[in-house]
Amino acid sequence: QKEVEQDPGPLSVPEGAIVSLNCTYSNSAFQYFMWYRQYSRKGPELLMYTYSSGNKEDGRFTAQVDKSSKYISLFIRDSQPSDSATYLCAMSAQGGSEKLVFGKGTKLTVNP
Amino acid sequence: ETGVTQSPTHLIKTRGQQVTLRCSSQSGHNTVSWYQQALGQGPQFIFQYYREEENGRGNFPPRFSGLQFPNYSSELNVNALELDDSALYLCASSLDRGVGDTQYFGPGTRLTVL
Repeated sequence: QKEVEQDPGPLSVPEGAIVSLNCTYSNSAFQYFMWYRQYSRKGPELLMYTYSSGNKEDGRFTAQVDKSSKYISLFIRDSQPSDSATYLCAMSAQGGSEKLVFGKGTKLTVNP
Repeated sequence: ETGVTQSPTHLIKTRGQQVTLRCSSQSGHNTVSWYQQALGQGPQFIFQYYREEENGRGNFPPRFSGLQFPNYSSELNVNALELDDSALYLCASSLDRGVGDTQYFGPGTRLTVL
C-alpha cells in the first residue's frame, strides 16, 4: 500500500463548479498537510498548509483534514479556467520544510 | 527577491553517463531538498541539505549524490544513468528547518536518458 493515495483523474468540470479533491494516507505519523498546484512545465506552488485535523479557508479554497479517517480534502469554489492544473497533496511527519510525501496528483480542467 | 532557479531547463543524456543539475535557492534560504517527478507521478524525495550537510535521504541509490555550497546553492549529481532516471528533477528551498515553514519549488530540470 502506498503511503499516500490520490485519484489521478482526470477531472473535467464547467466554470463555476465546486471541485472536491481528496487524498488518503496510511502513515499515522503525518501531522502536516499541504496542497500544491502544478501548472504544465512548472514546479509545484503551495496553495494550502494545515497542521493536524481541522479546516482552513483561503479565498475560494478550503482544506480539510480528518486524521481519524486518514483523509484530506481540498475544495475549490466557483472554479475558474485558470484553476486548470494538476493538484498534488503532500504530507510530512516533521514539518512543511522537511521530507514531503506526495500523492500522484489530480489533473483538473475547468471548461469556460 | 528572486525565486528558486534551476539549470539547465532540459537535458538529454545516454545510459551510463553522469549528469549534474544545479539549483539556486531563494534568497536567505538555508535548506534545500531535491525531488524526482516521473511522468504522471507525484514528486519523490531524494534528499535534503541543511547548512551544507545532508539531512535526510529518500529511497534512492548512492549514485544519486548532492552538495550544498556556502551560498546555499546546490547540485544534484547522478552517476551511471539508467533509462528510469528520465524525469523532472525539482529543487525546493526553505527559509529554515522549522515546523511552520514551507518549501518553494523551482521550475525543474527535465532529464531524458536515451
